[in-house]
Amino acid sequence: ETGVTQSPTHLIKTRGQQVTLRCSSQSGHNTVSWYQQALGQGPQFIFQYYREEENGRGNFPPRFSGLQFPNYSSELNVNALELDDSALYLCASSRGTSGREGNIQYFGAGTRLSVL
Amino acid sequence: DQQVKQNSPSLSVQEGRISILNCDYTNSMFDYFLWYKKYPAEGPTFLISISSIKDKNEDGRFTVFLNKSAKHLSLHIVPSQPGDSAVYFCAASAFGNQFYFGTGTSLTVIP
Repeated sequence: ETGVTQSPTHLIKTRGQQVTLRCSSQSGHNTVSWYQQALGQGPQFIFQYYREEENGRGNFPPRFSGLQFPNYSSELNVNALELDDSALYLCASSRGTSGREGNIQYFGAGTRLSVL
Repeated sequence: DQQVKQNSPSLSVQEGRISILNCDYTNSMFDYFLWYKKYPAEGPTFLISISSIKDKNEDGRFTVFLNKSAKHLSLHIVPSQPGDSAVYFCAASAFGNQFYFGTGTSLTVIP
């Protein structure tokens, strides 16, 4: 069973640029969630995709957007990067959105984004 | 707006003793609670969960207790082992599409 993989591992961008982060979900999982984790903080929920549609969103501005593909892999896009966007971005997948299976998420190791 | 709080940033426990990690929440709409464990340079790993309709769930050395009236949950690890040393995150979800994490508690188990 293949786990959640994220690419790239590290990324350096300049303020104002745009970035795309990628995630392959665990085999058999159709739901993907994205999180931002600042240093010393817990993961903050950005949004969730279920069957290629946004299914839930946290308190993040519209310049954070996403996609989910038919194979359930996903992208996180961030436009007009700001210095405060520097963080670890985590992707997590689950099987569905309800019950025990829908709530237990399997995380990738993350992409470390630095905005200069 | 911190809806899930872990007020103890760190905890040290002797090997073989009990570790108790605490978590408080504010939103009564949360219907599922989870604990994750995180090692450096890795993503969080699921440890144990509990539905809001239960007050206790046990899995081996790990037990989670939920007190809905106090909006409090705790994770008990008995006996604690050095390999349990990690950061532990408490998380809560509402309707399976909104997730909130605490800031984590760093557990050190001393051999």
